[in-house]
Amino acid sequence: DAGVTQSPTHLIKTRGQQVTLRCSPKSGHDTVSWYQQALGQGPQFIFQYYEEEERQRGNFPDRFSGHQFPNYSSELNVNALLLGDSALYLCATSWGGRELFFGEGSRLTVL
Amino acid sequence: KNEVEQSPQNLTAQEGEFITINCSYSVGISALHWLQQHPGGGIVSLFMLSSGKKKHGRLIATINIQEKHSSLHITASHPRDSAVYICAVPVDGAGSYQLTFGKGTKLSVIP
Repeated sequence: DAGVTQSPTHLIKTRGQQVTLRCSPKSGHDTVSWYQQALGQGPQFIFQYYEEEERQRGNFPDRFSGHQFPNYSSELNVNALLLGDSALYLCATSWGGRELFFGEGSRLTVL
Repeated sequence: KNEVEQSPQNLTAQEGEFITINCSYSVGISALHWLQQHPGGGIVSLFMLSSGKKKHGRLIATINIQEKHSSLHITASHPRDSAVYICAVPVDGAGSYQLTFGKGTKLSVIP
């Protein structure tokens, strides 16, 4: 079992560009949550996907959007990147409200 | 919304010492998560517990639902235990999918 897989692991973008981050859940998991962790801060909830729909959303602007595919994998898209979007983006998956499994994260740097 | 307090913020221990990290929250919950994060790394879920006590190797987690308090214990600490330990709870109490995180406890175990 590969656990939760995120890609890419590191990427650098410039202001105004768009980025897509990907998450493959642990086998059997159907729920995907995305978190943003700025340097030295705790993770902040972006949104959660279940049955291909956004089930709950945190306090993030519409520039942050997502998608869940029929195989439960998920994408996080961020448009019009700002310097402040530089962070570690974490994906966490679960099934039936049980224990969360986190990926290693995608570290985004915006220049 | 749930407020999470962790203590201590920083902890330095000698190898072999018994470690205790505390977490208090303000709103009743269905489950609490203990997480571990190494510097620059992703997050590993250590425990998800809703009552009583769980043990995994040298790690023990306890929760008192009535007192809204949880503790994470590490027996016979080792330098590889050096990491940030974070507790997380549903932001709106039971039934919320969104987690809110404590500020973390940075543990350093010295050989």
